[in-house]
Amino acid sequence: SQQGEEDPQALSIQEGENATMNCSYKTSINNLQWYRQNSGRGLVHLILIRSNEREKHSGRLRVTLDTSKKSSSLLITASRAADTASYFCATEPGGTSYGKLTFGQGTILTVHP
Amino acid sequence: GAVVSQHPSWVICKSGTSVKIECRSLDFQATTMFWYRQFPKQSLMLMATSNEGSKATYEQGVEKDKFLINHASLTLSTLTVTSAHPEDSSFYICSARAPGQGWQPQHFGDGTRLSIL
Repeated sequence: SQQGEEDPQALSIQEGENATMNCSYKTSINNLQWYRQNSGRGLVHLILIRSNEREKHSGRLRVTLDTSKKSSSLLITASRAADTASYFCATEPGGTSYGKLTFGQGTILTVHP
Repeated sequence: GAVVSQHPSWVICKSGTSVKIECRSLDFQATTMFWYRQFPKQSLMLMATSNEGSKATYEQGVEKDKFLINHASLTLSTLTVTSAHPEDSSFYICSARAPGQGWQPQHFGDGTRLSIL
């Protein structure tokens, strides 16, 4: 399956700073989602943005989507040590492949207290 | 909220052993579940789509006879890694989408870490 690219691969910041992660993908999509994974655990859904949307907010999260560039970004504002985790973008196609997620490579975020 | 339970969370066994991993939707019915594989510090790769009452759909490159999937009820899908070898060692994660009007997020199990000696 095709994998999107995420950058940076790793990000280390201080508490209170903002964290920005980028994701690129290759195929047409119905929506793009961001997930968080704590070490050795399953994934937790954070936010979804549909292909006809350009920006979405949820609490301290802000997601943008540029379908012309096939890219998305996740911004976490005022980061906390508890935000330390791996973050993955995942694209979901429409049609018969609905539900089948293609994940990016992920960004490992470390927030230092 | 919707919860997906995965069991066991950790398995260590000898080469040649077959290992069964269970994925349960605890408070909703899931006609479709998904199985992913994740190598250390890497992303999740979709292995197969598990369909209740019918055969699973495998992604390209995934051996059907190696990874047997059974979705016998609306709340349970199982993945059996047959005759496991060290190269099968990985983190296996399942997911399911709760039913409902409009789009619903997928809920992931906590994963099963499989280590083959």
